[in-house]
Amino acid sequence: EAGVTQFPSHSVIEKGQTVTLRCDPISGHDNLYWYRRVMGKEIKFLLHFVKESKQDESGMPNNRFLAERTGGTYSTLKVQPAELEDSGVYFCASSFAFTGTEAFFGQGTRLTVV
Amino acid sequence: EDQVTQSPEALRLQEGESSSLNCSYTVSGLRGLFWYRQDPGKGPEFLFTLYSAGEEKEKERLKATLTKKESFLHITAPKPEDSATYLCAVQAPQGGSEKLVFGKGTKLTVNP
Repeated sequence: EAGVTQFPSHSVIEKGQTVTLRCDPISGHDNLYWYRRVMGKEIKFLLHFVKESKQDESGMPNNRFLAERTGGTYSTLKVQPAELEDSGVYFCASSFAFTGTEAFFGQGTRLTVV
Repeated sequence: EDQVTQSPEALRLQEGESSSLNCSYTVSGLRGLFWYRQDPGKGPEFLFTLYSAGEEKEKERLKATLTKKESFLHITAPKPEDSATYLCAVQAPQGGSEKLVFGKGTKLTVNP
């Protein structure tokens, strides 16, 4: 069974540019999460989709971040325009059910804004 | 606000030297406590979920336990391949949120 897949694995962009990260969850997982780890800090929640609907986007840092999950399958996270503080590792995770069910993580996308 | 504190930040062991990692948490209405292992350049890999105080789970050389305030990850006779960062996370669905709140992790190094 394929795991959670993220593209690209690395991205280096200049400040002010746009970057789009993609996540393909495990097939059949309705729940999809985005997390981010900034250097030296803990992994922090960004948002949660249930199918194509945003269940919780309380962790989104500002309106430069836009997440979508069209058709309830893969998801994209767009950062526009990127700032230096957006650098970090962005993780996507998916789970079959809600509360108390383990989430399976992708390998992450390392974003560097220069 | 939900908080998770892991200690120590880093731990070096000799192969075969057993030890424990700590995860202290402050949360209202714990729904689950999760342990993950993370290798460099990879995403967190699920290890255990604990739901209530007194619960224990084992997997090979790892054993996780849970009390009302903390969880321990016991590593018995570790091997070099157990070297990784171990992450603890809690889930407490307040207001409908299903998010995980993570600690910073414990970086474990097992020397041969």
